[in-house]
Amino acid sequence: SQQGEEDPQALSIQEGENATMNCSYKTSINNLQWYRQNSGRGLVHLILIRSNEREKHSGRLRVTLDTSKKSSSLLITASRAADTASYFCATASGSNYQLIWGAGTKLIIKP
Amino acid sequence: KAGVTQTPRYLIKTRGQQVTLSCSPISGHRSVSWYQQTPGQGLQFLFEYFSETQRNKGNFPGRFSGRQFSNSRSEMNVSTLELGDSALYLCASSLGGGDQPQHFGDGTRLSIL
Repeated sequence: SQQGEEDPQALSIQEGENATMNCSYKTSINNLQWYRQNSGRGLVHLILIRSNEREKHSGRLRVTLDTSKKSSSLLITASRAADTASYFCATASGSNYQLIWGAGTKLIIKP
Repeated sequence: KAGVTQTPRYLIKTRGQQVTLSCSPISGHRSVSWYQQTPGQGLQFLFEYFSETQRNKGNFPGRFSGRQFSNSRSEMNVSTLELGDSALYLCASSLGGGDQPQHFGDGTRLSIL
């Protein structure tokens, strides 16, 4: 089953602009993770944010988590052509080690 | 450290056949998860193995099965292939805790004719 829902489904911006994508989920979580997938390749882990954290940074990435709204956002600043990919959120809940995945946001960076 | 290796990268089969896909996890990782990815259904969880035991299972028919060996390498098998089984099959390994990131291979692209 898919708990996370990414929004928007697709996003096209100019190189250098910031890109923001959102993830909503339904149940309480232990952590939320963001992954990137380049076309035809496997997913790459970007960042993990725990339920007791509100914001996390990694290079040009900024992730926020609002557990009261059951939502998270991923901000990519100063986008580059290499950021063109699909981005997925995944949540981990309770004692279940299975990640629940969203449908992904397809990001296109135009040169 | 070598990444997750999946073999083969591409596979073409016909309906009714069976197929076995292989996944070698990152050294030290005891958890291996399998996913099916299609354009229409997104990323669907198949099953997860931890120390040779199936720990979680997704909502797939019994034609889909897997196993994990003592060295943590894993295989998944699909029997009586159907056209709808055409997909990218991804394997991911992790240390096994719920707060551990998953490391993915590049997948096996399975096409059913």
